[in-house]
Amino acid sequence: GQNIDQPTEMTATEGAIVQINCTYQTSGFNGLFWYQQHAGEAPTFLSYNVLDGLEEKGRFSSFLSRSKGYSYLLLKELQMKDSASYLCAVLAGANNLFFGTGTRLTVIP
Amino acid sequence: DAGVTQSPTHLIKTRGQHVTLRCSPISGHKSVSWYQQVLGQGPQFIFQYYEKEERGRGNFPDRFSARQFPNYSSELNVNALLLGDSALYLCASNREPPNTGELFFGEGSRLTVL
Repeated sequence: GQNIDQPTEMTATEGAIVQINCTYQTSGFNGLFWYQQHAGEAPTFLSYNVLDGLEEKGRFSSFLSRSKGYSYLLLKELQMKDSASYLCAVLAGANNLFFGTGTRLTVIP
Repeated sequence: DAGVTQSPTHLIKTRGQHVTLRCSPISGHKSVSWYQQVLGQGPQFIFQYYEKEERGRGNFPDRFSARQFPNYSSELNVNALLLGDSALYLCASNREPPNTGELFFGEGSRLTVL
């Protein structure tokens, strides 16, 4: 089975840094994805990690530790438009992408 | 280039009815996946199709079925609708499995079952 855990909600201040954690237990692991989803919209791809370590892409970074079943998404210099749900998803097997319930981030002035 | 397109965008059905949802992938993408997203939850994997063959299936009852056509578009069918089937149904495409690249999602079809 698949079990993906992430906090339900987080609040952070504009300009600050926030870290969203994700832990997972899956049968088979072929990579971990982070997606952003604004209310009423489709998810959009943020990052993909398949090897341990940190992947940096602009203001967003994602980290993976396969031995610990752990990942985090780091958002720097927060902007109001970053208020959204952030979905952690694990690729288990070749074709099945399993999502967590998502973390709803609210950025306040 | 057009993104993933889904139709209809919204629909209302009653219990026991049947629904067909449609998806056109991005040009050049051969793989289509379907997800169900209940309000406040993450998307749940239903099916993946590649080259007209089912490549993956999530934990959904047999009331759910899908197919992929030669032009790589896809349909999701749900029979004997239940209230709990009310959700946003998302279609996503990518070039081919495995999903080592990003999935491109459509805007979804929002189904309400009364």
